[in-house]
Amino acid sequence: AQTVTQSQPEMSVQEAETVTLSCTYDTSESDYYLFWYKQPPSRQMILVIRQEAYKQQNATENRFSVNFQKAAKSFSLKISDSQLGDAAMYFCAYRSGGNAGNMLTFGGGTRLMVKP
Amino acid sequence: GAGVSQSPRYKVAKRGQDVALRCDPISGHVSLFWYQQALGQGPEFLTYFQNEAQLDKSGLPSDRFFAERPEGSVSTLKIQRTQQEDSAVYLCASSYAGWSGEAFFGQGTRLTVV
Repeated sequence: AQTVTQSQPEMSVQEAETVTLSCTYDTSESDYYLFWYKQPPSRQMILVIRQEAYKQQNATENRFSVNFQKAAKSFSLKISDSQLGDAAMYFCAYRSGGNAGNMLTFGGGTRLMVKP
Repeated sequence: GAGVSQSPRYKVAKRGQDVALRCDPISGHVSLFWYQQALGQGPEFLTYFQNEAQLDKSGLPSDRFFAERPEGSVSTLKIQRTQQEDSAVYLCASSYAGWSGEAFFGQGTRLTVV
């Protein structure tokens, strides 16, 4: 079974600065996807960024980018120019490839606080 | 609809009561998932539907949990004889077939068993 570990229960960043959230995973599969989700107090999970394991290039979405180290099974999220609206719980998630019914396996989450 | 809709948003049940949680996925989404999120933890998979077929129910914690999606659209998660350990947020997610796109989540139902 796959596992996802987020070792930082809480992180804090000053507005406009950069923060990196860590995630490691364990799998024996070669075909998989990795995700970062944001969960604000409204509880709705919002997809921030996704990475296909077969792609060597790190995914980027505006101020959000990842550092995908496949051999080390590491998938960190970098948030640049942090904004107050970035404050939320962030979850790293893993999904096996090849089957529409494969579920997401989530880490325990990191609470990000943004200081004005 | 515009997004995944879940109801009720909050539910308080007395221990031993039966509850039913509803999920209305995005129109046309074939895949539907239920997750359970305990306080301070990440969501955990409960069950998966492709259209009306329940293809994976390996995450359901006990036979008190039952899910259905009879017409391949709206889904209901039913919990019989609720226990305190059932207190959690129940999240529903839907996606197009093939998982080439993202899963869209609803806002969840927070169940409190007293």
